[in-house]
Amino acid sequence: SQTIHQWPATLVQPVGSPLSLECTVEGTSNPNLYWYRQAAGRGLQLLFYSVGIGQISSEVPQNLSASRPQDRQFILSSKKLLLSDSGFYLCAWAHGGKGETQYFGPGTRLLVL
Amino acid sequence: EDQVTQSPEALRLQEGESSSLNCSYTVSGLRGLFWYRQDPGKGPEFLFTLYSAGEEKEKERLKATLTKKESFLHITAPKPEDSATYLCAVLRTGTASKLTFGTGTRLQVTL
Repeated sequence: SQTIHQWPATLVQPVGSPLSLECTVEGTSNPNLYWYRQAAGRGLQLLFYSVGIGQISSEVPQNLSASRPQDRQFILSSKKLLLSDSGFYLCAWAHGGKGETQYFGPGTRLLVL
Repeated sequence: EDQVTQSPEALRLQEGESSSLNCSYTVSGLRGLFWYRQDPGKGPEFLFTLYSAGEEKEKERLKATLTKKESFLHITAPKPEDSATYLCAVLRTGTASKLTFGTGTRLQVTL
């Protein structure tokens, strides 16, 4: 069976500091990978998605970036955090190719002070 | 632009009181409609995928239905453990699995 991990679970960072959130998937190969942000009272906002190693598509212009250094690893980064980056960050995976259903990880709660 | 609107925003039911949640959508070419359950502080948990109008799927006390403009999540005789936020999302054809989500319905079931 497949498992998706995210860490850290919770993070408190000062404004202007860097960020690195990690997501890994087990039990599948060549998955599609996604980063979402969920703000209070708002729907899930797709930030980045990847269909393969080194292939990243950005959905929303911002000070965040994503990378996929390995087949089942997806990283969300920032060089300088803003207050508005606070939120609940979710990673998801779907089967590669025509896979449609996305399965979500446990999430990372980020608070920027 | 794809749009998903869920109603009501919040719903409070007594245990055993059946009801329905609504998901209205606008998408050019529906590839699939998805329902998720999300508990506070956790990631969404997949419930159902519906592909075409008239399709229905059931899981325990939940039944999801789909028309050309909306989907309903029917909850029969709910229990307190059904309390959660229920999210609806649509997938347009040819979009590499890029889901568009609604803002959810927050359901509370009391004894």
